[in-house]
Amino acid sequence: QLQLQESGPGLVKPSETLSLTCSVSGGSPSPNSHHWGWVRQPPGKGLEWIGTLYHSGNTNYNPSLKSRVTISGETSKTRFSLKLTSVTAADTAVYYCARHGCVNGVCYTWYFDLWGRGTLVTVSS
Amino acid sequence: EIVLTQSPGTLSLSPGERATLSCRASQSVSSGFLAWYQLKPGQTPRLLIYGASSRATGVPDRFSGSGSGTDFTLTISRLEPADFAVYYCQQYSSSVRTFGQGTKVEIK
Repeated sequence: QLQLQESGPGLVKPSETLSLTCSVSGGSPSPNSHHWGWVRQPPGKGLEWIGTLYHSGNTNYNPSLKSRVTISGETSKTRFSLKLTSVTAADTAVYYCARHGCVNGVCYTWYFDLWGRGTLVTVSS
Repeated sequence: EIVLTQSPGTLSLSPGERATLSCRASQSVSSGFLAWYQLKPGQTPRLLIYGASSRATGVPDRFSGSGSGTDFTLTISRLEPADFAVYYCQQYSSSVRTFGQGTKVEIK
């Protein structure tokens, strides 16, 4: 069964760059079909969509983060990454990687049908 | 950006009771492009409903979604112990995907 796993530093200093990787394992990730994304949840708050990596390699970012975010992926589609620059305490959150779902064999960037467990990243000096 | 407002913030119910969760959008969500998720601490978030009313694979039929336009509802017909969790709605009508702030369903 396909699984997603986030990895990366749990502590990042203010003004530095947050870097996370999502590893896809346990089955065929359908490299030519699915799109992938990142979502975060600050402590005590709701979920926030960060951005999406299309299977083509194109990206779409939340405008509120667009100037600081880069999402990229390996051509094998078994890993993809998130970079968020110039972080502040407001970027402290649980970061999830997730897969966008498909309907009748066609994959869209609509909802997320598979998620990782999430990883807490704290921004603090 | 479409803002989603979920109510109530917390729902205190007993196992076996019916839960009704609301998600209201600041503007119309076209084509029922709305999903619901269940989040539990330490577990992977789970997709429950997409397209406002379609159950995801493996989701029990006690979960149902309804609504259109700006008002959507997630109903859990008879709460089981595993259903006590936080639920989020998400719209994918606009290019900026947004989530509601969540409704916590807790044991009364």
